Amino acid sequence: KNQVEQSPQSLIILEGKNCTLQCNYTVSPFSNLRWYKQDTGRGPVSLTIMTFSENTKSNGRYTATLDADTKQSSLHITASQLSDSASYICVVSAKGTYKYIFGTGTRLKVLA
Amino acid sequence: GAGVSQSPRYKVAKRGQDVALRCDPISGHVSLFWYQQALGQGPEFLTYFQNEAQLDKSGLPSDRFFAERPEGSVSTLKIQRTQQEDSAVYLCASSLVGYEQYFGPGTRLTVT
Repeated sequence: KNQVEQSPQSLIILEGKNCTLQCNYTVSPFSNLRWYKQDTGRGPVSLTIMTFSENTKSNGRYTATLDADTKQSSLHITASQLSDSASYICVVSAKGTYKYIFGTGTRLKVLA
Repeated sequence: GAGVSQSPRYKVAKRGQDVALRCDPISGHVSLFWYQQALGQGPEFLTYFQNEAQLDKSGLPSDRFFAERPEGSVSTLKIQRTQQEDSAVYLCASSLVGYEQYFGPGTRLTVT
């Protein structure tokens, strides 16, 4: 069983609409959680990083939340744009390790 | 300066051929990581270098996979006697020790 699970697997929304992506993890002991955006044919690019004590963090139209008690995170995208079409990957790091543990990603398609 | 670069961007190999994939990290980044990303999946860790030392190769799937970073900068991932299951995108990332990983665009390997 993957230590980082994401839902939905894929999502299609209309331009201008909002959406929320989910991430559940079992990685322990927890260090931090990142959300990455991966455009087709490109490497992942970091959107946000959250540590244990942080509940929410924003980066423009992207807002990430973290509930360390339930081990859940969400990424909310506001007023979606065509350029938001990409895979969004949740990445969790454990304390004392350099390794990133990746989820399988949510593939978002924004339609005009 | 420039980001992480990888070459070639695309590689088609016949089953049984050897391939070499190159990664040029961000200048000054001590840490270098290789990941394998199967279609529709998140990246999976292959190996980690700190300068020229390969500190972790626990993710290499078989002894056909070999990575090196002889001068602590450029790294090469070599796959011998390629198999169809090796078809994937190979991502390289670099970082300062303990800091954010920056990813290259990846090399898409197709084994026919």
